[in-house]
Amino acid sequence: GAVVSQHPSWVICKSGTSVKIECRSLDFQATTMFWYRQFPKKSLMLMATSNEGSKATYEQGVEKDKFLINHASLTLSTLTVTSAHPEDSSFYICSANEGTSTAKNIQYFGAGTRLSVL
Amino acid sequence: AQSVTQPDIHITVSEGASLELRCNYSYGATPYLFWYVQSPGQGLQLLLKYFSGDTLVQGIKGFEAEFKRSQSSFNLRKPSVHWSDAAEYFCAVGNKAAGNKLTFGGGTRVLVKP
Repeated sequence: GAVVSQHPSWVICKSGTSVKIECRSLDFQATTMFWYRQFPKKSLMLMATSNEGSKATYEQGVEKDKFLINHASLTLSTLTVTSAHPEDSSFYICSANEGTSTAKNIQYFGAGTRLSVL
Repeated sequence: AQSVTQPDIHITVSEGASLELRCNYSYGATPYLFWYVQSPGQGLQLLLKYFSGDTLVQGIKGFEAEFKRSQSSFNLRKPSVHWSDAAEYFCAVGNKAAGNKLTFGGGTRVLVKP
């Protein structure tokens, strides 16, 4: 099956610093990647959708200047949490979609990144 | 707009017993439906999906789900639960008109008693 790698799995940073999270599709080209945030014992909240070579589309209420998303290639998307604060501490998960045709319209998820901001 | 409801927050089942997790969706046309499983601190693994065709779909790990349009439901079942099935289960709905974005239900945590 399709594999999505997310790195790092866990990061601790000081308040005010920036953190970059990588999401890679290892064995397929991802036309679309998605970034989610998950609070403890809660469901996934979609933050943004990114397509290779174009600007990300952010969901309502998500600060695009705080959560910078870059989808530089068909196998790599990055999420940078800028000037992180304790309230940004969360579990961030990415997913990648192989295509828009029905057969390929499946999101494969990375293992997630736990961000702790001190 | 699409939405998903998973009425059961927690379910406890004995090992070897059957399991059914409920999922109700709201969407005007035929949706894409998915079940994912999440182990603690991990990402999501796809169990099965429904796009069209046969309304009873088979997935991995012995799971199956049935799409019932009349009830707007996509319930997940497993005949005999193993201790390793203890996890969080998420139902999700998507559609092409929404750019294939998924909307997730609140999740159901399954506990397995020995």
